[in-house]
Amino acid sequence: DTGVSQDPRHKITKRGQNVTFRCDPISEHNRLYWYRQTLGQGPEFLTYFQNEAQLEKSRLLSDRFSAERPKGSFSTLEIQRTEQGDSAMYLCASSPFMGKAFFGQGTRLTVV
Amino acid sequence: GENVEQHPSTLSVQEGDSAVIKCTYSDSASNYFPWYKQELGKRPQLIIDIRSNVGEKKDQRIAVTLNKTAKHFSLHITETQPEDSAVYFCAASPRGDKIIFGKGTRLHILP
Repeated sequence: DTGVSQDPRHKITKRGQNVTFRCDPISEHNRLYWYRQTLGQGPEFLTYFQNEAQLEKSRLLSDRFSAERPKGSFSTLEIQRTEQGDSAMYLCASSPFMGKAFFGQGTRLTVV
Repeated sequence: GENVEQHPSTLSVQEGDSAVIKCTYSDSASNYFPWYKQELGKRPQLIIDIRSNVGEKKDQRIAVTLNKTAKHFSLHITETQPEDSAVYFCAASPRGDKIIFGKGTRLHILP
């Protein structure tokens, strides 16, 4: 499968724990995006990368959220001290510069 | 920053009829407008996109129109079929930057 891959698919964690998600983009894509989606809503922009450079982080995003793309290939999204409000589907997408973006299957986070 | 409004939030049409979903955007620098379809429990799938240098694009039963002056764009689905039932999202991207999504339209195709 040469599409966008996310791991894990599901994560249940206790409130206050840290979690990390991984996204492997389509190999020739230099853009990588992270979104959060809750039930009945559209994907909410979190952050995006051009190669290894993080170009923008949503102002709505708490300091507990951090993302990296160290070698311009895969990316990780870490949430520290998780809260129940962090429960959502976390989607990753990749694209060529100014090209079509394709989504991974997402990581569903449940904070209990 | 960019803001995308989408209407209606829910739309029911008889099988075989047409469906129209409308979106407006705020940032006049937006130049790329994709549309995604999301079925229950699945990832959003790109179904069609349009760039600001054209006013209309068609792909079989799906078409998109763009009015840059009014900053609105629309998705048209003709001859709707049961498999068209899903949530549809419009999006806008200024200058090839981040892609901002609308809140979605839940489309029901009635038999």
